[in-house]
Amino acid sequence: AQSVTQLDSQVPVFEEAPVELRCNYSSSVSVYLFWYVQYPNQGLQLLLKYLSGSTLVESINGFEAEFNKSQTSFHLRKPSVHISDTAEYFCAVSLPSKFSGGYNKLIFGAGTRLAVHP
Amino acid sequence: SAVISQKPSRDICQRGTSLTIQCQVDSQVTMMFWYRQQPGQSLTLIATANQGSEATYESGFVIDKFPISRPNLTFSTLTVSNMSPEDSSIYLCSVLDRVISGANVLTFGAGSRLTVL
Repeated sequence: AQSVTQLDSQVPVFEEAPVELRCNYSSSVSVYLFWYVQYPNQGLQLLLKYLSGSTLVESINGFEAEFNKSQTSFHLRKPSVHISDTAEYFCAVSLPSKFSGGYNKLIFGAGTRLAVHP
Repeated sequence: SAVISQKPSRDICQRGTSLTIQCQVDSQVTMMFWYRQQPGQSLTLIATANQGSEATYESGFVIDKFPISRPNLTFSTLTVSNMSPEDSSIYLCSVLDRVISGANVLTFGAGSRLTVL
């Protein structure tokens, strides 16, 4: 079975500082990896995903995540955060269909609340 | 991406009562799901809402407690029955928005925050 661990429940940071939100997963087979973001009073939105290929993936708003197979990690980073990045961030995994026999559900971590202060 | 509207956005309920949450999507979707997010915990899949047939429930969730309807490809409801304080959670509707290279990408509603007294 797959599982996801987000090591920090809350991360406070000052504006323009760098940030890293940590995510580790457990799986006996290869997985797809996702980061979702939930801004206050909104639904979860896909931030970025790793399916295959380059281990470094980027989002349109400056976040990036690196897939590290040996460490089973998919940490999210941003070199300089803005107040508007304040949100809850969820790491998630799912199995490719060749392993699941079809659709397979997303397994989420507990979330990390990023609070950016001026 | 699909746009999802959930109602109510929040409610305070009395123990023993039931509440129905509605999920409306702005386009037809093949798959709809209901998740629960308990305080300080991750999102947990409750069930897959199947159009025209009974929902498919995950381990630990049963139809008597969480009856689900899906009368068409754009609408679903989740009822939380005979509520207790342990049912205080955020309930989220989600849909399969697109498939990219075999990976399923979900879109979520804003959630319904229930507090049971």
